Amino acid sequence: DGGITQSPKYLFRKEGQNVTLSCEQNLNHDAMYWYRQDPGQGLRLIYYSQIVNDFQKGDIAEGYSVSREKKESFPLTVTSAQKNPTAFYLCASSEPGQDNYGYTFGSGTRLTVV
Amino acid sequence: QQQVKQSPQSLIVQKGGIPIINCAYENTAFDYFPWYQQFPGKGPALLIAIRPDVSEKKEGRFTISFNKSAKQFSLHIMDSQPGDSATYFCAASNWGGKLIFGQGTELSVKP
Repeated sequence: DGGITQSPKYLFRKEGQNVTLSCEQNLNHDAMYWYRQDPGQGLRLIYYSQIVNDFQKGDIAEGYSVSREKKESFPLTVTSAQKNPTAFYLCASSEPGQDNYGYTFGSGTRLTVV
Repeated sequence: QQQVKQSPQSLIVQKGGIPIINCAYENTAFDYFPWYQQFPGKGPALLIAIRPDVSEKKEGRFTISFNKSAKQFSLHIMDSQPGDSATYFCAASNWGGKLIFGQGTELSVKP
């Protein structure tokens, strides 16, 4: 079945550490996105990529970095510069131009600072 | 102008009631309006979507009403069930562009 796989499901980070969240899709979608979700704050866009080897900052990119070396993979690194990283992180993909255009989301990674 | 404003923030209805969630947008270039449903600990899933050339779209118990002149659209859930309890997000975009999401509505359907 086609879909998006996020791993790990739960992640714990110590102060000052960088951590990388994995996002893999087998939908052959060109576009991929990372969102952060906090209670009562909705979905906030961190980074997005519309094609391999290209990505753009979203609304809250500070303290995060991404890469898009392969079409199917869009990993997110939460750096030590992100002062409040505890949140639920969601990855999504889409195929702009498809008749049934819409985002497919992964199941999320819950990151906690310990 | 890129914002999508969603209300209410939370909603409680009895089983069988018809919850209504409203969204408003400013950007007249938006031409795709989806709704997503999210259960706790899961990613959002596309529920139903509408283009501005129609005023209403139904899929099962879920209906989108669209008012282009008012730049508003809403989600109605007919005969709501406890299993519909979830967070609902509206969104808008230019066709093929990135989605702009509303703030979400937490719906609780009481038995």
